Amino acid sequence: QLQLQESGPGLVKPSETLSLTCNVSGDSISSNSYYWGWIRQPPGKGLEWIGSIYSSGSAYYNPSLKSRVTISVDTSKNQFSLKLSSVTAADTAVYYCARHAGYCGGGSCYYYYILVWGKGTTVTVSS
Amino acid sequence: DIVMTQSPLSLPVTPGEPASISCRSSQSLLNSNGYHYLDWYLQKPGQSPQLLIYLGSSRASGVPDRFSGVGSGTDFTLKISRVEAEDVGVYYCMQGLQTLLTFGQGTRLEIK
Repeated sequence: QLQLQESGPGLVKPSETLSLTCNVSGDSISSNSYYWGWIRQPPGKGLEWIGSIYSSGSAYYNPSLKSRVTISVDTSKNQFSLKLSSVTAADTAVYYCARHAGYCGGGSCYYYYILVWGKGTTVTVSS
Repeated sequence: DIVMTQSPLSLPVTPGEPASISCRSSQSLLNSNGYHYLDWYLQKPGQSPQLLIYLGSSRASGVPDRFSGVGSGTDFTLKISRVEAEDVGVYYCMQGLQTLLTFGQGTRLEIK
């Protein structure tokens, strides 16, 4: 059974870089035609998609975060990672990693079916 | 960006009664492949979101058949035929037709 587990520091200082890793177990990150994504949820608020990556390394980002975000995949470790630079208090949130279906073509991507989610990890940005 | 608007934002329901949640998108979610890229998720208290309905009307594996998704174009509805206590939580619709995946604000279902 596929499981995802986020890990990383729970406290990050303003202006520094937030780094999280999602460990994938129960299936190979390279198998099947799935995307691996990051979604966050500020305290008491709704869900915000950060970005997704395919096992080939092709990544797609939320334009509002694109200048600060990097998502990468390490197939040898069966994990993928999130880096968010120049963080502020507005980046305080629960960060979820997830697997979803979709395809990209013609300059656009089409996503659906976020079946598997990690439990989420809380990241607080504070000095 | 496609904006997703849910209503109501709060939904008190008596157990055993039906419930419905509306989700409207700022543009059609119909893809050229014939599918509507609209999913429904439920986030139970203290948990990660869980998939209920994908591509507009397909129920995810293990989801009770009291949940159904209907709609087309820009108007979609999640229907619960008979609400149970375990259905409490926040329901989100999500569009995946654009590379920028977006969610609705969420609808909080509570038991009367």
